[in-house]
Parts: sequence; structure tokens; C-alpha cells
Amino acid sequence: EAQVTQNPRYLITVTGKKLTVTCSQNMNHEYMSWYRQDPGLGLRQIYYSMNVEVTDKGDVPEGYKVSRKEKRNFPLILESPSPNQTSLYFCASSLEGTFNEQFFGPGTRLTVL
Amino acid sequence: GQSLEQPSEVTAVEGAIVQINCTYQTSGFYGLSWYQQHDGGAPTFLSYNGLDGLEETGRFSSFLSRSDSYGYLLLQELQMKDSASYFCAVRMNTGFQKLVFGTGTRLLVSP
Repeated sequence: EAQVTQNPRYLITVTGKKLTVTCSQNMNHEYMSWYRQDPGLGLRQIYYSMNVEVTDKGDVPEGYKVSRKEKRNFPLILESPSPNQTSLYFCASSLEGTFNEQFFGPGTRLTVL
Repeated sequence: GQSLEQPSEVTAVEGAIVQINCTYQTSGFYGLSWYQQHDGGAPTFLSYNGLDGLEETGRFSSFLSRSDSYGYLLLQELQMKDSASYFCAVRMNTGFQKLVFGTGTRLLVSP
């Protein structure tokens, strides 16, 4: 089944404790993105990747890191999480770019205390 | 900078037609996408308009007017399962793959 998976689905952590949210897709898509969703703010793009080792900042990259060492994986790293990073995070992948059909993962609900 | 405006909420009855508008202000523009998101779910892609005009996909249609910086999503023959949030998203030309989403329109369909 074609899908985007994220882990963990739920995470409660404390300020400053490094964490990684994994994202994997099995559709051989070149383009992948990370978004955060907050009430009243819609989805905001954090980072995107156009291929292995090619990444760039979205609208809200501060406090986040990404890497794309393999085509299927695009982990999101929070080196020192803070409470303002409490949010719902989505990973997405697409074949022809973010403008075209993006397939979203199920989401990761992160709470930073 | 860039901004997108959508109504926060729209209500309609089953079988009706509803239009969700999206106006945008951007320094560069490539195209307009629409996504649907049910409560507790992930967004799912509905349509993309790169050129002016109407794109039709079943009960859903999407329209774009680049000269007016305006687009809309048209949902026909509404069903209860169409109750969801709908987001427009603009692809920017500052950053080839940058995508900016609107804050979403919550559609409530009643019997």
C-alpha cells in the first residue's frame, strides 16, 4: 500500500531534550516536506527536500533541522525543543513537486512541557 | 510577504452547492491548490490550478483568476461526508517548492 508513515504518532517531552520524528514514504517520491499545524494558523511549511541531500527552508524553519540521506526517509530533528514547538506535525511527499498532489502522513502530535 | 484569505466557516445542507473562496497576496505566484482535512485526519489533495480557468473533478471544481488574485473551490451535490476543513495553498516562485497554506474553511453540512 502506498503510504507515508510517521513515528511516533504522539510524543510528550520536556524542554531541551533532543528528539527526532521519522518520516518514510514507499512511493519513490523525490519531493518531501514537513509542516506544522496550529489552531487558527493552518499548515505552515517547515522544510522541504527536492531529492537526496537537497533541502531548503520553508516558512518556519527556526528550531528545526532535517536531513535527506535516503530518498524514502526525511526525519525532522528538534535539537532543543521549546514549548512553542508544541504542535501537530505532518510529513508529505509528492512526485512532481509540492504544487502537485502531496500525500500526507498521519501526523505526529508533539507536546513540549 | 504573502497572505491568503478564506472564510473561517461555511454551512450548507445536503444536496446543495457551496463555494469556498480564496484570495491571495503574494510577491510571486505559480499556482493554487486545494486540500481537504477531516477532523483528526491528514490533509488530502483535491485539485491544482496553474492556469486561469475551471478544473473539474467529479463533484468538486476549482477555479483560478490570476488577474484578480482569486480562486474558489466549488462543491456540488453536498454530502454529509463533505463536512471537513478546506485549505487553499499557493505555490510561491520565491523558493521553487515553497507552499503557503490559508488558515482553512470549516464546512458544516447538515441534513
